[in-house]
Amino acid sequence: GESVGLHLPTLSVQEGDNSIINCAYSNSASDYFIWYKQESGKGPQFIIDIRSNMDKRQGQRVTVLLNKTVKHLSLQIAATQPGDSAVYFCAESHRSSYKLIFGSGTRLLVRP
Amino acid sequence: GAVVSQHPSRVICKSGTSVKIECRSLDFQATTMFWYRQFPKQSLMLMATSNEGSKATYEQGVEKDKFLINHASLTLSTLTVTSAHPEDSSFYICSAVTAGDTQYFGPGTRLTVL
Repeated sequence: GESVGLHLPTLSVQEGDNSIINCAYSNSASDYFIWYKQESGKGPQFIIDIRSNMDKRQGQRVTVLLNKTVKHLSLQIAATQPGDSAVYFCAESHRSSYKLIFGSGTRLLVRP
Repeated sequence: GAVVSQHPSRVICKSGTSVKIECRSLDFQATTMFWYRQFPKQSLMLMATSNEGSKATYEQGVEKDKFLINHASLTLSTLTVTSAHPEDSSFYICSAVTAGDTQYFGPGTRLTVL
């Protein structure tokens, strides 16, 4: 359903540090999860995805961890850079449908 | 990579008029496209699923007569906001699904209704 939030939680990190953004998903039947990055005034940009038969997947500087027991998803960004500053959304889906249900989002601020 | 475009990027219209927003998959064909709306500081809300050659499927609470969707080809879906009112002002974003089942998003259209 709709995710509503007037105040996005914010994570502030020092440039060069690692960032961890967390997400709790709602549907235990979801089997596909994606992280998106959204910069101001732009559409979401695909970062990394993971299917429910995995618990970890790595990309370039990013790692997604999936804990199905507690319905928790996290995005780890290594050596965070100023260009990583954006709002990050997790999204869940089921293989029977391409429909995505988005989380409420987290704003990442990178301090120089 | 897969590219999705939207046109226009910004539109301002008077209350009561209709506005059409186009969503195109530039380098791939998309049987399925989606339309979302996003209010400031909020997440994306799915409005409808657009399927090529068939009627769109609307999410609960979304008025199908107000938000007309046409998916006439494998690379184009349009969203028409009919009789727009100020409360329809929002950021409208489309997405398209590739053959590999990955969903890519357009850059969004900022609609302002005066």
